[in-house]
Amino acid sequence: SQKIEQNSEALNIQEGKTATLTCNYTNYSPAYLQWYRQDPGRGPVFLLLIRENEKEKRKERLKVTFDTTLKQSLFHITASQPADSATYLCALAGGLTGGGNKLTFGTGTQLKVEL
Amino acid sequence: EPEVTQTPSHQVTQMGQEVILRCVPISNHLYFYWYRQILGQKVEFLVSFYNNEISEKSEIFDDQFSVERPDGSNFTLKIRSTKLEDSAMYFCASKTVLNYGYTFGSGTRLTVV
Repeated sequence: SQKIEQNSEALNIQEGKTATLTCNYTNYSPAYLQWYRQDPGRGPVFLLLIRENEKEKRKERLKVTFDTTLKQSLFHITASQPADSATYLCALAGGLTGGGNKLTFGTGTQLKVEL
Repeated sequence: EPEVTQTPSHQVTQMGQEVILRCVPISNHLYFYWYRQILGQKVEFLVSFYNNEISEKSEIFDDQFSVERPDGSNFTLKIRSTKLEDSAMYFCASKTVLNYGYTFGSGTRLTVV
């Protein structure tokens, strides 16, 4: 069955450092992969999307890589700030079927940026 | 920035009762979804809706669940006879085109007692 794994342990880093979060998947050939931020009691907030034929995407302090051979995505936050503290979710959607593609989410990694 | 609006923010209901969760997606979006998140667990897909019909649904979305878009703006999720295990955060989401990010609402916390 399809499986998406993110580090279940919280990641604690110091302000100003680069946070790197990992998303690994198995039994899946996604057309694209997305990263979301989720704060406690709130809905996920879309951050970045990367397609299967793209290796890297950047947006401001965020960078995502996508390796379909390793079946892995890395999510980087550079110059991290305490306001970046949240849970980060990896989500995959597979193949173009027409209509809406459902997202399959990982369990998320909690990031805490300390002063 | 446009938002997906969900009401109510919190709903408490007795087991066996019907509940309707309401959502107002972003006006020019075409694809609509319901997801749920049981406390401490991952966000799970329930159903997708496009062109006034269900395009895909998960195993969770059984005969007790239904969706409607009655008036071109609201998008509702109905649970006919709630069970204790239906207690979760329910998120509505919408998007404009395929291969693009979703906009999620803030969710309705459903508590079944």
